[in-house]
Amino acid sequence: QVQLQESGPGLVKPSETLSLTCTVSGGSVSSGRYYWSWIRQPPGKGLEWIGYIYYSGNTNYNASLKSRLTILVDTSKNQFSLKLTSVTAADTAVYYCARIGQQVIRYAMDVWGQGTTVTVSS
Amino acid sequence: DIQMTQSPSSLSASVGDRVTITCRASQSISNYLIWYQQKPGKAPKLLIYAASSLQSGVPSRFSGSGSGTDFTLTFSSLQPEDFATYYCQQSYSTPYTFGQGTKLEI
Repeated sequence: QVQLQESGPGLVKPSETLSLTCTVSGGSVSSGRYYWSWIRQPPGKGLEWIGYIYYSGNTNYNASLKSRLTILVDTSKNQFSLKLTSVTAADTAVYYCARIGQQVIRYAMDVWGQGTTVTVSS
Repeated sequence: DIQMTQSPSSLSASVGDRVTITCRASQSISNYLIWYQQKPGKAPKLLIYAASSLQSGVPSRFSGSGSGTDFTLTFSSLQPEDFATYYCQQSYSTPYTFGQGTKLEI
């Protein structure tokens, strides 16, 4: 079955860029049936949707992060990635990647990575 | 943005109890309502989509209902493995938004 795995630095300095990659296995990021999403969860808090990308490269970002956010897809590596610039302590969170299913399941996120903790600190 | 409000924020219950959690949307979202379960240190797990459809492999003691702005997640008989935090999410429009979570405790 499809599995997602996040990877990237666990510590980022304030004002620098947070970069994460999600590797898809057991399936293809090029499948036109799904969107590929990032979600984050600050320590002890709830979930925040960051944005998603389609295999074609079309994106949809949360407006609260849009000015700092880039999500890319690399079909040759079966990966998608997140870049968040000018980070502050407020960006400290567990970051998850997830697959968004089709309209029949009302675009639910049906497959999730295990999550990766990113701390913003000098 | 569509605001999702869950109640209660936390709930104490016992094994075998019938329990209901509610989720309210700030505007109508039809049945674009999803429920997730999250255990400590783990990723959320999809339980219910389209407000009332059970994801494959999820036990039938979980059920969802509602449409428009008001939704519920019901446990017919709590099991020990059900003690976790539950989130609702709307997928009617972006930005997708989540409720603040309901922590179900013993």
